[in-house]
Amino acid sequence: ILNVEQSPQSLHVQEGDSTNFTCSFPSSNFYALHWYRWETAKSPEALFVMTLNGDEKKKGRISATLNTKEGYSYLYIKGSQPEDSATYLCAFAGGSARQLTFGSGTQLTVLP
Amino acid sequence: DSGVTQTPKHLITATGQRVTLRCSPRSGDLSVYWYQQSLDQGLQFLIQYYNGEERAKGNILERFSAQQFPDLHSELNLSSLELGDSALYFCASSVDVLSSSPLHFGNGTRLTVT
Repeated sequence: ILNVEQSPQSLHVQEGDSTNFTCSFPSSNFYALHWYRWETAKSPEALFVMTLNGDEKKKGRISATLNTKEGYSYLYIKGSQPEDSATYLCAFAGGSARQLTFGSGTQLTVLP
Repeated sequence: DSGVTQTPKHLITATGQRVTLRCSPRSGDLSVYWYQQSLDQGLQFLIQYYNGEERAKGNILERFSAQQFPDLHSELNLSSLELGDSALYFCASSVDVLSSSPLHFGNGTRLTVT
């Protein structure tokens, strides 16, 4: 069983604040790391897929970095807006099966 | 809109019964995945199909089975239902069999077993 940990579990920030959260995964047999955004009453939506150590991806105010050697990825949100409120999931693919194992998510609430 | 269609949206049934959940993948996607989300749990991988063939199995119970048809739609069959099977079941699709492509999720089927 692969262990994918996300921290913090939940986070409240003020509108305009920048924030970041962490996804930790096994540092051996890495294949890919995914980030998804999951709004209430909707389905998860893909943000990024990263496959190389040192990868950095950006989509508007959201960016992500990847360190496969130490087994972590950071998701950054610059200038948070209320519409950024969602649960952010990371998913790790590794080992021989390469199946995606999801973390439990970080629930972000941006207060106006 | 992800392009993945799941039906039904809600399903309420009794213990011991059997249900079938249906998923149509996004146009062009060959892989279909099924995930279960129970209360206070994350997304648990059940099973993956690629172009009609089973490719990977996760924590899927023996009472559950799935298949992918020639038109690439997939069905998840849940039998001898128990109260603990109540959950949100997601289908997702991706363009290939590798985990380096993003998953596109349907809106889920909420199953309630009474």
